Amino acid sequence: SQTIHQWPATLVQPVGSPLSLECTVEGTSNPNLYWYRQAAGRGLQLLFYSVGIGQISSEVPQNLSASRPQDRQFILSSKKLLLSDSGFYLCAWSVQPNTEAFFGQGTRLTVV
Amino acid sequence: KNEVEQSPQNLTAQEGEFITINCSYSVGISALHWLQQHPGGGIVSLFMLSSGKKKHGRLIATINIQEKHSSLHITASHPRDSAVYICAVTWTRGADGLTFGKGTHLIIQP
Repeated sequence: SQTIHQWPATLVQPVGSPLSLECTVEGTSNPNLYWYRQAAGRGLQLLFYSVGIGQISSEVPQNLSASRPQDRQFILSSKKLLLSDSGFYLCAWSVQPNTEAFFGQGTRLTVV
Repeated sequence: KNEVEQSPQNLTAQEGEFITINCSYSVGISALHWLQQHPGGGIVSLFMLSSGKKKHGRLIATINIQEKHSSLHITASHPRDSAVYICAVTWTRGADGLTFGKGTHLIIQP
């Protein structure tokens, strides 16, 4: 069966420090992969999506970047965190855009 | 701009009550998801709909494509149903990925 792993679950980082959140999917090949963020008081918003290795599309300009070094690995990064990067980050995958989506457990990031 | 609106934003009810959460969206969709998020926890997919109605245990989800509206119902609500319920859609046209509503914060009191 397919599973998705996202870690860490919680993270507290100082302003200006780097960030790396990892998401891996098991049990499927060539998934569509997504990173979403939920800022305080707002709904989840799409940050990046990827339809294949090395293919990244960005929806919102920001202080973050994403990479897909392997078929089932999706990484969210920042070189220098800002206070405004605090929020709940969620990784997801689907076989096709209009099919069921599956979600990681999420990472609650607090930048201090 | 394509939008998803949920109501109510907050809902407190007594154990056993019938709960309805609503979701409206602005243009055509390929699919609609209902998701559940517990405090401090991850997100679980409850339903994916493209038409009609689905039922799983005490949860029922319906969608009216013509009216661009979906509802999530909880029968015989229980305190363990307390969570944030989120509606999310995949647009027929537009960017890939899901567009989420802001969620409905449900509290079921014993």
